[in-house]
Amino acid sequence: GQSLEQPSEVTAVEGAIVQINCTYQTSGFYGLSWYQQHDGGAPTFLSYNGLDGLEETGRFSSFLSRSDSYGYLLLQELQMKDSASYFCAVRAFTGGFKTIFGAGTRLFVKA
Amino acid sequence: GAGVSQSPSNKVTEKGKDVELRCDPISGHTALYWYRQSLGQGLEFLIYFQGNSAPDKSGLPSDRFSAERTGGSVSTLTIQRTQQEDSAVYLCASSDWGAGTDTQYFGPGTRLTVL
Repeated sequence: GQSLEQPSEVTAVEGAIVQINCTYQTSGFYGLSWYQQHDGGAPTFLSYNGLDGLEETGRFSSFLSRSDSYGYLLLQELQMKDSASYFCAVRAFTGGFKTIFGAGTRLFVKA
Repeated sequence: GAGVSQSPSNKVTEKGKDVELRCDPISGHTALYWYRQSLGQGLEFLIYFQGNSAPDKSGLPSDRFSAERTGGSVSTLTIQRTQQEDSAVYLCASSDWGAGTDTQYFGPGTRLTVL
């Protein structure tokens, strides 16, 4: 089967750096994505890692280690507007491509 | 189109009634997904259409749920004999599958309330 684990909640202060981890178990792993969802809104794509290493997009970075079945999302210079839920999602090929979302991590940014 | 659209935005129905939810994907996107999200929960995969291939229905929770995609574009999710546990936000997403990363673009969702 396939499973993803990420913390349910993380709290950080404005201006700080926070890391949201995601571990996965899946066959046919293809890549790891991250999505952000504000309360009442739809998920929006943040980043994708198909290869090991760090991908940087402005204040957000995402890391993948395929050998450790592990990835993380790094948010720097936290702002209040970053308070949201963050989902990791595994793309896998098991007879066909499939994307499975984690349960999400709720990030609270405090002043 | 500019983005994924869904209708209606809100639907209140009585237990036992049938409902139809509509999704208009981004033009040219070959992949279309339906998810369900209960309050404060993650995304529950329901069904996935890719081009002309047979849909992946592995996430449909019961045979009361069905979906179709006409002409490779618009999709309709139908829930028959609705139950209170069907209350949730139903999200549709589309992607340009050929791009490799399967970046999914989500619609605003349909909030379904079953009384």
